[in-house]
Amino acid sequence: QQQVKQSPQSLIVQKGGISIINCAYENTAFDYFPWYQQFPGKGPALLIAIRPDVSEKKEGRFTISFNKSAKQFSLHIMDSQPGDSATYFCAASKMSNQFYFGTGTSLTVIP
Amino acid sequence: SQTIHQWPATLVQPVGSPLSLECTVEGTSNPNLYWYRQAAGRGLQLLFYSVGIGQISSEVPQNLSASRPQDRQFILSSKKLLLSDSGFYLCAWSASPGAGPFFGPGTRLTVL
Repeated sequence: QQQVKQSPQSLIVQKGGISIINCAYENTAFDYFPWYQQFPGKGPALLIAIRPDVSEKKEGRFTISFNKSAKQFSLHIMDSQPGDSATYFCAASKMSNQFYFGTGTSLTVIP
Repeated sequence: SQTIHQWPATLVQPVGSPLSLECTVEGTSNPNLYWYRQAAGRGLQLLFYSVGIGQISSEVPQNLSASRPQDRQFILSSKKLLLSDSGFYLCAWSASPGAGPFFGPGTRLTVL
């Protein structure tokens, strides 16, 4: 059973546009929700993370929106750039011992 | 600052040969350690995780095994590789509570 469901599988955005990736979870015990960015041939890099006591967290052009009642969280990339083209993974964790990852979103930002 | 190392970076092995991938973490004590596998264009599959020396939890039954002989060392092994073992192997660590996991650079394994 997929603990974290991620959509869309792929996304194409124009340069300067907003990229939005969504994730949903079932386990209300999850208490930590990180997002990762992965370039081809590299390990995933932690991008930004949020805890359920906060509804939004912003770091530069990257924002996580968190809806606890709907059990959903999303990554927004503002002013998307070609350099943002990568695969993005959401994840969820309970007590930070086990992490459950989404299936990934391949983002392409076209100039 | 913390650093995670994996080696080798790439590996080509024949079917039936043994495997040993090593991961070490610097700059932290008693981390949780993880081995993930990523097939081409796919998501992250958790293989093993460890909360301490000699404590290994397996998530997926297979011909792979893991060991943690030291606090910051995690080893992935196989006695006989299968074609299906090809993939991108990622080691990761996390602190308890709440940050990470932080991934290493990965090992690209091709089994021929």
